[in-house]
Amino acid sequence: AQTVTQSQPEMSVQEAETVTLSCTYDTSESDYYLFWYKQPPSRQMILVIRQEAYKQQNATENRFSVNFQKAAKSFSLKISDSQLGDAAMYFCAYRSLTTGTASKLTFGTGTRLQVTL
Amino acid sequence: DTGVSQDPRHKITKRGQNVTFRCDPISEHNRLYWYRQTLGQGPEFLTYFQNEAQLEKSRLLSDRFSAERPKGSFSTLEIQRTEQGDSAMYLCASSSAGGLLGGRETQYFGPGTRLLVL
Repeated sequence: AQTVTQSQPEMSVQEAETVTLSCTYDTSESDYYLFWYKQPPSRQMILVIRQEAYKQQNATENRFSVNFQKAAKSFSLKISDSQLGDAAMYFCAYRSLTTGTASKLTFGTGTRLQVTL
Repeated sequence: DTGVSQDPRHKITKRGQNVTFRCDPISEHNRLYWYRQTLGQGPEFLTYFQNEAQLEKSRLLSDRFSAERPKGSFSTLEIQRTEQGDSAMYLCASSSAGGLLGGRETQYFGPGTRLLVL
């Protein structure tokens, strides 16, 4: 079974600064997807960024980018130019691409990001 | 596209009562997922439907839990004889399967139903 570990329960960043959230995972599979989801307080979870394991190039979505290290099974999220609206719980998630398995997501325990003025 | 909706948003019940939650996925999404999220934890997979067929159930889904998706549209999750340990946020997500092995399938989440069992 796959596991996802987020070792930072809370992080804080000043507005306009850069912050990196860590995620490691354990799997024996070679093909999979990794995701970062954002869950603002009392609001629904939304996808921030996704990474296909077969791609060596790190995914980027505007101010959000990842550092995907497949051999190390590491998948960190970098938020540049942090904004107050970035304050939320961030979840790292894994999805298997093995034939016959459901496309369920396996989540980490989350990192609460605070953005200060 | 109005997104995934869930009803009710909050539910307080007494131990031993039955509760039912509803999820309306994004129209034309053929996949629907239920997850459970307890305080301080990430969501945990409960069950998954492709159209009306329930294709996978987690071991977390005890026999007190049942989910249906008649006609492949909305889904209901029922918990019978609720226990205090059932208190959690129940999240629904939907997606449109496509491409080889799911391709770039993205799960869109609803706002959740927060259940409190007294």
